[in-house]
Amino acid sequence: DPKIIQKPKYLVAVTGSEKILICEQYLGHNAMYWYRQSAKKPLEFMFSYSYQKLMDNQTASSRFQPQSSKKNHLDLQITALKPDDSATYFCASSQPTGGIANSDYTFGSGTRLLVI
Amino acid sequence: GDSVTQTEGQVTVSESKSLIINCTYSATSIGYPNLFWYVRYPGEGLQLLLKVITAGQKGSSRGFEATYNKEATSFHLQKASVQESDSAVYYCALSGGGRALIFGTGTTVSVSP
Repeated sequence: DPKIIQKPKYLVAVTGSEKILICEQYLGHNAMYWYRQSAKKPLEFMFSYSYQKLMDNQTASSRFQPQSSKKNHLDLQITALKPDDSATYFCASSQPTGGIANSDYTFGSGTRLLVI
Repeated sequence: GDSVTQTEGQVTVSESKSLIINCTYSATSIGYPNLFWYVRYPGEGLQLLLKVITAGQKGSSRGFEATYNKEATSFHLQKASVQESDSAVYYCALSGGGRALIFGTGTTVSVSP
């Protein structure tokens, strides 16, 4: 059974629209993250949350907003979508006992977003 | 800033041959980064393959090895004899300074029978 569930697996959106990417983890972890990977680029860190509080935000655009309604959820709302937002978005979690930098991450299988 | 470089985007190797995937890093804001290799098999999420947090140490898992070379700022991944099941995307990563993982671009390994 997948320990981190990302929904949907694939998503096609129209430029200017808004979408929410879902992430739920069943590992009992207290830290969650979002990463993005565009073609031929590194996996790019976006956000980290620990105990449902934002720890780090490396995303320049306010169009990307994480939402943590429950401890094991970290959804990603993207507004005013642009073609450049097309990428695979990965959610991850860890148990930050010794700090975020020292914890082992578990990743979901990603949501592939295409903006047309 | 801090970064990870993987020079090979794609590697093809025959089964039972050796494999080396290069990884170098720059950690200007982190004195002693933790170093990782993650692997993504088709249709799955990234999985931790191995990690090393002490310079000079070697990590190993599933026949893969990587040594934390602080002088060369490298963390190359090696396997002596690959199998078809090793076909996957391999990501080198670092962390430290309280920050989340920083990844390289990934190397797609295709093992041919």
